[in-house]
Amino acid sequence: GAGVSQSPRYKVAKRGQDVALRCDPISGHVSLFWYQQALGQGPEFLTYFQNEAQLDKSGLPSDRFFAERPEGSVSTLKIQRTQQEDSAVYLCASSLGTDEAFFGQGTRLTVV
Amino acid sequence: GQNIDQPTEMTATEGAIVQINCTYQTSGFNGLFWYQQHAGEAPTFLSYNVLDGLEEKGRFSSFLSRSKGYSYLLLKELQMKDSASYLCAVAGVDSGYSTLTFGKGTMLLVSP
Repeated sequence: GAGVSQSPRYKVAKRGQDVALRCDPISGHVSLFWYQQALGQGPEFLTYFQNEAQLDKSGLPSDRFFAERPEGSVSTLKIQRTQQEDSAVYLCASSLGTDEAFFGQGTRLTVV
Repeated sequence: GQNIDQPTEMTATEGAIVQINCTYQTSGFNGLFWYQQHAGEAPTFLSYNVLDGLEEKGRFSSFLSRSKGYSYLLLKELQMKDSASYLCAVAGVDSGYSTLTFGKGTMLLVSP
């Protein structure tokens, strides 16, 4: 597609439920990033992929968070046993390398 | 690792000029980006600096001093629609691969 696509746009989950957030990057983009953005804050780095390799997952807040990009294109961010503090917008971005990153619209997760 | 600082919020009047500062400490440096983010929307690219000096693009200009670890975004002839969060992001190299780290964002409020 023309841009980075994320789905769903909105997700309401009951506490304890597992969720999966999808990111379709721009075709050919090697780098893929996931960010978590709390209300009124800048994006916080979660994890980074270069093609299918997850090179950095230091930003994942707990072992309940898991990300994958098995074929080097589409990526999924999974959160197990969601907690209220997981409520945030999850942004995906892709780039060719260290140049401009293009962001998706994000998925707004609300845990109730 | 990377550390990026920018003011939390600023206010200005329509038609005025405002300068948003960003300081950073980084391992490796592959450029500095400014993004604009309106509430509920994805960040959008504004500017990219990799060499020292001023880059001008219409009403927006961005300045970089690599030796000082300092950048600013200058917005002229402010309009109400410029009310948004402005994110400073640094492209660096960490553990041999490219990274893009964001500051917490500066919320700019433009009043009539």
